[in-house]
Amino acid sequence: DQQVKQNSPSLSVQEGRISILNCDYTNSMFDYFLWYKKYPAEGPTFLISISSIKDKNEDGRFTVFLNKSAKHLSLHIVPSQPGDSAVYFCAATVQGGSEKLVFGKGTKLTVNP
Amino acid sequence: KAGVTQTPRYLIKTRGQQVTLSCSPISGHRSVSWYQQTPGQGLQFLFEYFSETQRNKGNFPGRFSGRQFSNSRSEMNVSTLELGDSALYLCASSLEIPRVKEFFGPGTRLTVL
Repeated sequence: DQQVKQNSPSLSVQEGRISILNCDYTNSMFDYFLWYKKYPAEGPTFLISISSIKDKNEDGRFTVFLNKSAKHLSLHIVPSQPGDSAVYFCAATVQGGSEKLVFGKGTKLTVNP
Repeated sequence: KAGVTQTPRYLIKTRGQQVTLSCSPISGHRSVSWYQQTPGQGLQFLFEYFSETQRNKGNFPGRFSGRQFSNSRSEMNVSTLELGDSALYLCASSLEIPRVKEFFGPGTRLTVL
């Protein structure tokens, strides 16, 4: 049973436009969410996170929105740049619990010049 | 500060063999986690070590094992390799518990023939 789902395996957007990557979770105990970006031949790098006490967290061009009632979070990238082309993983965890990060399968974002 | 390092970067083995992968965490980080990444399954958690003790374990068979040394370096071992073990094995380290933000190494690409 997959607790973190990224239902879109791929997404293609034009440079300068907004990229929206979605993530759904089923475990209502999750209270901390993270996004990682992964380039080929490299390990994932931390991008942005959000605690369940917030519904929005912003860092430069990256904003994560959390809708707890819908068990849904999204990552917005504005404006998208070709260098943003990568695989984006959503992850969730229970703080103070096992603290194991549960990852989605990833969404491959392609930003076209 | 040096990042997480993993050796070797690439490995080719045949079915039935065993393999040992190594991970050196960021200096000062005491938690080390291992993940398996395959195209169809995304990142799947293998296990986590903290202060030489296994704290968490994912749903992998007993052929997958690991350990952590007093200097926080970690090794992962897979015995009796199967074709399906071909994957990118990622190591991640974090400063302390709660392990909400991990720093990943570049991974070891294992190919089983």
